Amino acid sequence: QITLKESGPTLVKPTQTLTLTCTFSGFSLNTFGVGVGWIRQPPGKALEWLALVYWDDDKRYSASLKNRLIITRDTSKNQVVLTMTNMDPADTGTYYCAHRPLLVFGESVFDPWGQGTLVIVSS
Amino acid sequence: SSELTQDPDVSVALGQTVRITCQGGSLSSYYASWYQQKPGQAPILVMYGLNNRPSGIPGRFSGSSSGNTASLTITGAQAEDEADYYCNSRDSSGDLYVFGPGTKVTV
Repeated sequence: QITLKESGPTLVKPTQTLTLTCTFSGFSLNTFGVGVGWIRQPPGKALEWLALVYWDDDKRYSASLKNRLIITRDTSKNQVVLTMTNMDPADTGTYYCAHRPLLVFGESVFDPWGQGTLVIVSS
Repeated sequence: SSELTQDPDVSVALGQTVRITCQGGSLSSYYASWYQQKPGQAPILVMYGLNNRPSGIPGRFSGSSSGNTASLTITGAQAEDEADYYCNSRDSSGDLYVFGPGTKVTV
């Protein structure tokens, strides 16, 4: 059974750096084709994909946020860390991590998801 | 702005059929996946690829695709299907991922 859980601060101040950790079990990030992604959701708004790290440590970032994001993995701890710099109140929302399984070409799947962690950006 | 578009709201009578669509240029090259999200809960995958249902998803959910449009159909909608539904796919480069703006389904 695959599970993921996000952890990190609930409240951050504007301009600060946010660090979120995704701790997972039930799969290995060393397995061919596997990845872990981060997705966020402002209150009452849509999902927004942020970043993904693959089994081979290849990384992808949202074009609109790539200058503010860093994603890293620690396979020994089964963790993926997302760092977002220069936080703004507009970054308030629930941040999810999700498992990206081995896919056939052209597919896009995130399954399952963590429960999410709420991040509020306020002074 | 999102590269995928969805109707914001759709209503369906109990037991009837509803189709939710997702449009985007990348969908002519890449498959969509669909996620159901109920208030206060994390999204769950309900459809992916050509027409693949994850284990545990009822058979009343089906998927299809034509050109730049992917669709999720609920045949015989139930009260518990009332939720927000998001499509997801690759962007036009194939390297990145994108979500649609979501469709609120009211049963």
